[in-house]
Amino acid sequence: DSGVTQTPKHLITATGQRVTLRCSPRSGDLSVYWYQQSLDQGLQFLIQYYNGEERAKGNILERFSAQQFPDLHSELNLSSLELGDSALYFCASSERQVREEQYFGPGTRLTVT
Amino acid sequence: GQQVMQIPQYQHVQEGEDFTTYCNSSTTLSNIQWYKQRPGGHPVFLIQLVKSGEVKKQKRLTFQFGEAKKNSSLHITATQTTDVGTYFCAGDDNFNKFYFGSGTKLNVKP
Repeated sequence: DSGVTQTPKHLITATGQRVTLRCSPRSGDLSVYWYQQSLDQGLQFLIQYYNGEERAKGNILERFSAQQFPDLHSELNLSSLELGDSALYFCASSERQVREEQYFGPGTRLTVT
Repeated sequence: GQQVMQIPQYQHVQEGEDFTTYCNSSTTLSNIQWYKQRPGGHPVFLIQLVKSGEVKKQKRLTFQFGEAKKNSSLHITATQTTDVGTYFCAGDDNFNKFYFGSGTKLNVKP
């Protein structure tokens, strides 16, 4: 158990819909990262937040957005969903701003039908 | 664009044999991290290397960061069935972009 929690574990939704994935980092960690893992694209870094502020952006689509709240939990919002958005979405956390050792949550499996 | 490739994509070994995965970046990396993901699990951090030419060991695992900081390797000596999983390298380029390698899936036959 990494100490990072993600909800929900599974999500099935239809194309065009919007979903929100939630992540609670390990106690004391200020950085939260979001990743997408699909069979054809591998693990892709989406975005990083540090202490409530966006720190770095990866291959995040404009239809996707994220935020980190004052209590440090984070949400990833995915809108206008497409079939290709079906993937495993991981959240990870680390103590500091620099991308050092990251602790991954169990992931949310999103299926878009 | 930036790519971090790993070879081989798959490796099947007999328990007790050695295993090596190679990570190659198209540009210089400021650091390299290695992760292991068991089937159905999440990535677990193994180690981070920062210095050019750095070598670190963890029991049967040896990690190396190339002199040019564009490649890295992970070597496992005398594999065990518990080593089964996918090994990913990851790193930051000099433009604050973070990339994961394509991964090497290791299967160990008992």
